[in-house]
Amino acid sequence: EAGVAQSPRYKIIEKRQSVAFWCNPISGHATLYWYQQILGQGPKLLIQFQNNGVVDDSQLPKDRFSAERLKGVDSTLKIQPAKLEDSAVYLCASSNHDGTGSYEQYFGPGTRLTVT
Amino acid sequence: GQSLEQPSEVTAVEGAIVQINCTYQTSGFYGLSWYQQHDGGAPTFLSYNALDGLEETGRFSSFLSRSDSYGYLLLQELQMKDSASYFCAVKKDSSYKLIFGSGTRLLVRP
Repeated sequence: EAGVAQSPRYKIIEKRQSVAFWCNPISGHATLYWYQQILGQGPKLLIQFQNNGVVDDSQLPKDRFSAERLKGVDSTLKIQPAKLEDSAVYLCASSNHDGTGSYEQYFGPGTRLTVT
Repeated sequence: GQSLEQPSEVTAVEGAIVQINCTYQTSGFYGLSWYQQHDGGAPTFLSYNALDGLEETGRFSSFLSRSDSYGYLLLQELQMKDSASYFCAVKKDSSYKLIFGSGTRLLVRP
């Protein structure tokens, strides 16, 4: 089974520029998450999708961050304009809660963003 | 508010046993998960506890006490490859979203 795919793996941009990240979850997984992980900290949930609907975006800085999952499969996360404090690893994860009792989230390799 | 407390670093010797503690304060609680993350890698799932008690999976075990808002991850027969960061994470509601702690960096020495 293919894992969660993310691209690009690395991105360096200047502040005030825009950037977009792409995620393709494990096939069949209805739930998709975007996390921000700052160096030395745990992942922080930015947004959670169930199919193509938003379940939780309470921690998403909506003045600069946006995310979509139009067809309920892959997703993009955009930052516009970027700030220095956005430098972090952006992790995508997916899960499938089919009633079997699994609570596992499967993470992609992440995109390391550096804002200069 | 909500908070999860974990030690920032733990060092242990190869072959030994180590326990990583996690205390939490959250407005809702469904269960506690543990994830492992090697440097530069993705977090990988280790365990999930919804009920009080010990869950064992190979060399790793996880414990939960809901009344004490406390859990721990127990790693036995430590191997060098166990050097990584370990995160506890609370499932607060039925949505499956997780609130992660800041992680414990485990260093296994020969």
